[in-house]
Amino acid sequence: DSGVTQTPKHLITATGQRVTLRCSPRSGDLSVYWYQQSLDQGLQFLIQYYNGEERAKGNILERFSAQQFPDLHSELNLSSLELGDSALYFCASSGREFDETQYFGPGTRLLVL
Amino acid sequence: AQSVTQPDIHITVSEGASLELRCNYSYGATPYLFWYVQSPGQGLQLLLKYFSGDTLVQGIKGFEAEFKRSQSSFNLRKPSVHWSDAAEYFCAGLTGTASKLTFGTGTRLQVTL
Repeated sequence: DSGVTQTPKHLITATGQRVTLRCSPRSGDLSVYWYQQSLDQGLQFLIQYYNGEERAKGNILERFSAQQFPDLHSELNLSSLELGDSALYFCASSGREFDETQYFGPGTRLLVL
Repeated sequence: AQSVTQPDIHITVSEGASLELRCNYSYGATPYLFWYVQSPGQGLQLLLKYFSGDTLVQGIKGFEAEFKRSQSSFNLRKPSVHWSDAAEYFCAGLTGTASKLTFGTGTRLQVTL
């Protein structure tokens, strides 16, 4: 158990809908990262938040957005969903001093029908 | 551009045999390097990491990896594979200036009894 939690585990929705994925980082970690894992793209970095502020952005679509709250949990919002958004979405956290290691949650599997 | 390459998509070994999974990196500076394992339907578990210092690093579950600067490699090894090691293995890199992990495409390990 990495200490990173993600909810829900599975999500099935329809095209055009909006969903919210939630992540709680390890205790004491200030950074949260979101990654997407799909068969055709592999593991891709989406976005990073550090202590409530956006720190880095990767291949994140404009339809997707994220935020990190004062209690450091993070949410990834996916809107106007398309079939191609079906994937496994991982959250990771890091932030211990002198340690850049990212610890991953169990992921949320999203299926868009 | 920063990249991590795993040349082998799929490897099959017999239980009890030794294992080596290849990973090559391309970075301007020496990156931090990681190996993660993903069992079917599971999240990413950290096996080991290299930041600096001793080029042979020990990880969990009996795995080790050796950093070779001259070959830009960070290969994962295990002297005797167990059937429970069957999973997908990902090599990843990160530099101090970039927060995101760059992943290889993964190597799927099959273990025959």
